[in-house]
Amino acid sequence: EAQVTQNPRYLITVTGKKLTVTCSQNMNHEYMSWYRQDPGLGLRQIYYSMNVEVTDKGDVPEGYKVSRKEKRNFPLILESPSPNQTSLYFCASSLSGQGVGNTIYFGEGSWLTVV
Amino acid sequence: QKEVEQDPGPLSVPEGAIVSLNCTYSNSAFQYFMWYRQYSRKGPELLMYTYSSGNKEDGRFTAQVDKSSKYISLFIRDSQPSDSATYLCAMSAGGGFKTIFGAGTRLFVKA
Repeated sequence: EAQVTQNPRYLITVTGKKLTVTCSQNMNHEYMSWYRQDPGLGLRQIYYSMNVEVTDKGDVPEGYKVSRKEKRNFPLILESPSPNQTSLYFCASSLSGQGVGNTIYFGEGSWLTVV
Repeated sequence: QKEVEQDPGPLSVPEGAIVSLNCTYSNSAFQYFMWYRQYSRKGPELLMYTYSSGNKEDGRFTAQVDKSSKYISLFIRDSQPSDSATYLCAMSAGGGFKTIFGAGTRLFVKA
């Protein structure tokens, strides 16, 4: 089954404690990205990756890091989480970044609370 | 001004009603228009997409794009309680890699 798997699904952490949200896709997609979803603001892209070792900032990259060492994995790292990073996070993948055939597949989401 | 504007609702309708969901946008370069459906505590899933202007129909769902007005719509006929979800419009200029999402409209269909 084609899927994007992210973990953990739910996490409460304290300010400043580094954490990593893992993401893995089994569709051999080149393009992967991270979004955060906040009430009234919709989905905002944090970082994206067009292929292995190729990453770039999205609209709200501050406070986040990513890496793409393997095609299937795209972890999101919060080096020093702050309360304003409390949000619902989605990992997503697509075959490529272009065109209408570019269906974006989302993971189930990770609820992160920073206290 | 946001590139994509979408009324967050909530929108509450009785079962069987026709639902109209809308988005406006400002970037005339957008060519690909999509609707995603997101159930509670789930990730969004692609529902429909259209290229450029015109209509596209899929069962009870019709997507409509009016590029001259920079306005897109999703119509749901004979709405069902199972249609209760958040609907996000999304747009892309193609050529590039970024898809811009609306804030999502929360829909409740009452039995």
